Amino acid sequence: SAVISQKPSRDICQRGTSLTIQCQVDSQVTMMFWYRQQPGQSLTLIATANQGSEATYESGFVIDKFPISRPNLTFSTLTVSNMSPEDSSIYLCSVVEDTNEKLFFGSGTQLSVL
Amino acid sequence: DQQVKQNSPSLSVQEGRISILNCDYTNSMFDYFLWYKKYPAEGPTFLISISSIKDKNEDGRFTVFLNKSAKHLSLHIVPSQPGDSAVYFCAASEPWTGANNLFFGTGTRLTVIP
Repeated sequence: SAVISQKPSRDICQRGTSLTIQCQVDSQVTMMFWYRQQPGQSLTLIATANQGSEATYESGFVIDKFPISRPNLTFSTLTVSNMSPEDSSIYLCSVVEDTNEKLFFGSGTQLSVL
Repeated sequence: DQQVKQNSPSLSVQEGRISILNCDYTNSMFDYFLWYKKYPAEGPTFLISISSIKDKNEDGRFTVFLNKSAKHLSLHIVPSQPGDSAVYFCAASEPWTGANNLFFGTGTRLTVIP
């Protein structure tokens, strides 16, 4: 299975600032996703990171708030912009390997916004 | 609207006994179901899955049962071991989307008592 490295693992940020989360995969994958898990909630898909084109966002998520880059088939970034305490969550990078339907996750980024 | 529900936020079981984790869903279009396990400070890892054409899938100590008429699935762990202590998420997907858009439950924290 793919090995997914995500950083930072955790951060504490001030309101109004932005944080960029990086996701590196050890193999080329077509599909990369960003999920969020708010405290006590389920994992929710933010967007699909498309290589070479704009990300596809799910309902309730917008590019201005969560800009995503996908410069190649092994790397993606998610930026959480103009943060507020409501953005305090675990953010997870995930991939689907081309050979199967299972979703693999990075170790996550624990974000706390003060 | 939560399409996948795990109504028990926590479960405690003695080592060696059976652990039964339950999951209900509302979308009759779901045709593929997965269970993920999550340790603290780690991303979720795939555990076991089942297609809607089956009612049971077994992998070692882990068995998933699917009752389509009741829109209910369960994960059985026998025998339970202390290392099984983790948060378990069930997830579901619609036809043709596969892992591209999984709907997750809120998770059940399993504690196996030595």
